[in-house]
Amino acid sequence: KAGVTQTPRYLIKTRGQQVTLSCSPISGHRSVSWYQQTPGQGLQFLFEYFSETQRNKGNFPGRFSGRQFSNSRSEMNVSTLELGDSALYLCASSLGQRTGANVLTFGAGSRLTVL
Amino acid sequence: AQKVTQAQTEISVVEKEDVTLDCVYETRDTTYYLFWYKQPPSGELVFLIRRNSFDEQNEISGRYSWNFQKSTSSFNFTITASQVVDSAVYFCALSGLSGGSNYKLTFGKGTLLTVNP
Repeated sequence: KAGVTQTPRYLIKTRGQQVTLSCSPISGHRSVSWYQQTPGQGLQFLFEYFSETQRNKGNFPGRFSGRQFSNSRSEMNVSTLELGDSALYLCASSLGQRTGANVLTFGAGSRLTVL
Repeated sequence: AQKVTQAQTEISVVEKEDVTLDCVYETRDTTYYLFWYKQPPSGELVFLIRRNSFDEQNEISGRYSWNFQKSTSSFNFTITASQVVDSAVYFCALSGLSGGSNYKLTFGKGTLLTVNP
């Protein structure tokens, strides 16, 4: 079956611009999570959506937002880009169980460079 | 709060050597889950194993084995007879309510494993 698809894979923006990243989960998965990966901070949780509702948000400024559509596809948006937003943004999907046992299946990521 | 520590930033071995990647975690939860993921140069994290806090049995899958010890809060990963294809960054991760949610993973910083021919 198809894996988690993220688009675009690479993008370059300048400071002050905004960006929208897209994620299509594995069919049947209703939970989509987003993580930011940087060399300095490692992998950090951004937010998680389940059935179009945000269930949890990480410690990121309000410039980072997301949403999930009725078909479970998700988008995240970063407004007023800063140099420090340059990172690999990883999307992951899962069944979204409440127990914490969820195995996340990750996409290949969207690599954002802010100039 | 939760924390995962992977003290080894980089490890370099020669093919066919055995290598152990260390993972130490901190959590207040009695129920929690531990994971290992592999990230090859392509960037996609690949799931390797999940272990819940009530199951301390060690597990072996081919050349991979995992040693979970609650007494030392460790969940170490051993690759036997390493191969060049094992070269990747390996992440240990933890989920549980004291991390703020059951719906997120707290990752360690990762260990870059290089297997030389």
